[in-house]
Amino acid sequence: DTGVSQDPRHKITKRGQNVTFRCDPISEHNRLYWYRQTLGQGPEFLTYFQNEAQLEKSRLLSDRFSAERPKGSFSTLEIQRTEQGDSAMYLCASSPAGSGETEQFFGPGTRLTVL
Amino acid sequence: AQSVTQLGSHVSVSEGALVLLRCNYSSSVPPYLFWYVQYPNQGLQLLLKYTSAATLVKGINGFEAEFKKSETSFHLTKPSAHMSDAAEYFCAVSERRDDKIIFGKGTRLHILP
Repeated sequence: DTGVSQDPRHKITKRGQNVTFRCDPISEHNRLYWYRQTLGQGPEFLTYFQNEAQLEKSRLLSDRFSAERPKGSFSTLEIQRTEQGDSAMYLCASSPAGSGETEQFFGPGTRLTVL
Repeated sequence: AQSVTQLGSHVSVSEGALVLLRCNYSSSVPPYLFWYVQYPNQGLQLLLKYTSAATLVKGINGFEAEFKKSETSFHLTKPSAHMSDAAEYFCAVSERRDDKIIFGKGTRLHILP
């Protein structure tokens, strides 16, 4: 079990640039979640997938944000025209939905800094 | 709507003393409740969870939490603090199995030698 992995671990970008993050869930976990954590706050839900279907999006996910999970395995989160307010830790989690398990397993996160 | 309130953004206890981190929740349905721990520069790790079975839940590293419906509380305790317990602790709630999790703002636990 290699756990949830995220790439890159750190990203520094200039305001206005586009960035893309990748999340690889635990193998055979069919649910995948994205959260955002700003300094001094708890993680906030952004969106989640059941296989390749995006089931829910938070109002925090503005039009500049888009997430995909095209083959029901890895997922990408893209932020277009980044703003300084987008600086945060972006966390990915996965769970084996339907197995009766409620735990979400979190990756190490991608820390985004927008200059 | 679901919400979680963690009382105290910072808590300091002496090594060997009782750890008590407070959490109150709001949920319109019987909740699933969680405590997660986050060490510096690491991801979130599940300490324990309540899923409508026993109200006293035992977790890893000697932590436990008790679900009290009448008080809408899910406080985290550990009888004897260890230096390695220094971390950020998050209480969280979910209204359905496999659903999104709503986190509190976190409590940073400091252990004094």
